[in-house]
Amino acid sequence: DGGITQSPKYLFRKEGQNVTLSCEQNLNHDAMYWYRQDPGQGLRLIYYSQIVNDFQKGDIAEGYSVSREKKESFPLTVTSAQKNPTAFYLCASSTSRVGGNQPQHFGDGTRLSIL
Amino acid sequence: ILNVEQSPQSLHVQEGDSTNFTCSFPSSNFYALHWYRWETAKSPEALFVMTLNGDEKKKGRISATLNTKEGYSYLYIKGSQPEDSATYLCAFIQGGSEKLVFGKGTKLTVNP
Repeated sequence: DGGITQSPKYLFRKEGQNVTLSCEQNLNHDAMYWYRQDPGQGLRLIYYSQIVNDFQKGDIAEGYSVSREKKESFPLTVTSAQKNPTAFYLCASSTSRVGGNQPQHFGDGTRLSIL
Repeated sequence: ILNVEQSPQSLHVQEGDSTNFTCSFPSSNFYALHWYRWETAKSPEALFVMTLNGDEKKKGRISATLNTKEGYSYLYIKGSQPEDSATYLCAFIQGGSEKLVFGKGTKLTVNP
C-alpha cells in the first residue's frame, strides 16, 4: 500500500548526541514536511521540501537539519544544538509543490525522548 | 505570526448526538483551509480541503462549511459514534505562503 513510513517509532537521545529520524514515502509526492508536536500546542513546521535537493526552514528550524537527496526520502536530524528535543515528530507529504490546496498525508510519528 | 484558534478544546458527547466545532483564522489573504482527523495511535487523516467562500463539503456523517470573509469554518458530525472519537485539527494557509498553520485541535470523545 502507498504511504509514509517513519522510523523508529520511539527514539532516545543522550545529551550532546545527534539523532536522525527517517521518513520515506512511496506516494510519488513532490512535497515533504516535518512537524513537531508538544503538549497543548498545534503542529509546528520544522522544515519542508518541495523538490529534490531543495528545502526551506519552517517556523522552528533551529537545532534541526534535513536533506532531500531522493524524492521518496526526507530524513530529519535533531542536533545537539536543539535544547529541548523531547517531542512527537510527524512527517507528511503532499502532491502540491506550491502547497495549500492538496491534503497532506502523514506518517505515524516518532516520539523522541532525552535520556 | 498567524493564529488559528479551535474551540472548544475538548468535548464529550453521547452516542447519537450531533455536534459541531469551530476553527477561526485570519480573514485576509485566504488561500485554503484543511480539516484533519487524528485518532489515538494513528496518523492524522485528511477530511477536507476547502478553498472557496461558502464551500460546504461532506464525507459520510461529517460535513464542513467555510466563511472566508469572517474567518471561520465549522465542522459538523451528525449522529456521533464512538469511532468518531479523535482530535480534529484545522490548518490554514494564506495566499503566497507555502506553510500550513495548525490549530491546537478539538478533542472529541463519544460515549457509548
